[in-house]
Amino acid sequence: SQQGEEDPQALSIQEGENATMNCSYKTSINNLQWYRQNSGRGLVHLILIRSNEREKHSGRLRVTLDTSKKSSSLLITASRAADTASYFCATVATTSGTYKYIFGTGTRLKVLA
Amino acid sequence: DADVTQTPRNRITKTGKRIMLECSQTKGHDRMYWYRQDPGLGLRLIYYSFDVKDINKGEISDGYSVSRQAQAKFSLSLESAIPNQTALYFCATSAGQYTEAFFGQGTRLTVV
Repeated sequence: SQQGEEDPQALSIQEGENATMNCSYKTSINNLQWYRQNSGRGLVHLILIRSNEREKHSGRLRVTLDTSKKSSSLLITASRAADTASYFCATVATTSGTYKYIFGTGTRLKVLA
Repeated sequence: DADVTQTPRNRITKTGKRIMLECSQTKGHDRMYWYRQDPGLGLRLIYYSFDVKDINKGEISDGYSVSRQAQAKFSLSLESAIPNQTALYFCATSAGQYTEAFFGQGTRLTVV
């Protein structure tokens, strides 16, 4: 399977704390993206980082990418109860001139008020 | 209106029945995808299409077929449904490889 893996599988923190989740992947990539999924609903795009970038910020989100280790991390600072969701990384790799999004297994985040 | 619309949202069907899940998008993108989500397994790619004449198998295409009726429409069929196809199915669309994917709200399919 080409799927990546997120770590941890589940995370429970108090409101105001920071949440860090990690993603490992298997193939060479063009870019890596993070998505959020509220319970049983569609995925929503959060942030994209290209293979030649090492760090990217968007609001309370900070993403890092280490292509030598085939890993990425997502940091959510000052978490809120509304951040409770599952988070997935998706890698985009080019194969034979085409590309596709390959998703990891997800981290379930619970933020306690 | 949602950018990506899936119908039906929920469906219960019997083993052996043929069922079609429909997806339409208003983003004007050429690329469309079907994914399946199972607990603990994340999303797995079933089929993807880069234009009306281009259909590609994903990692778990066995037991499924697709039809790209138009740029905006991409349907997934289960020829003869079986219980282990019980899952949450998502359709998505994207403009290109350096862009985000937009997802529908999902179809929860139960095969009994």
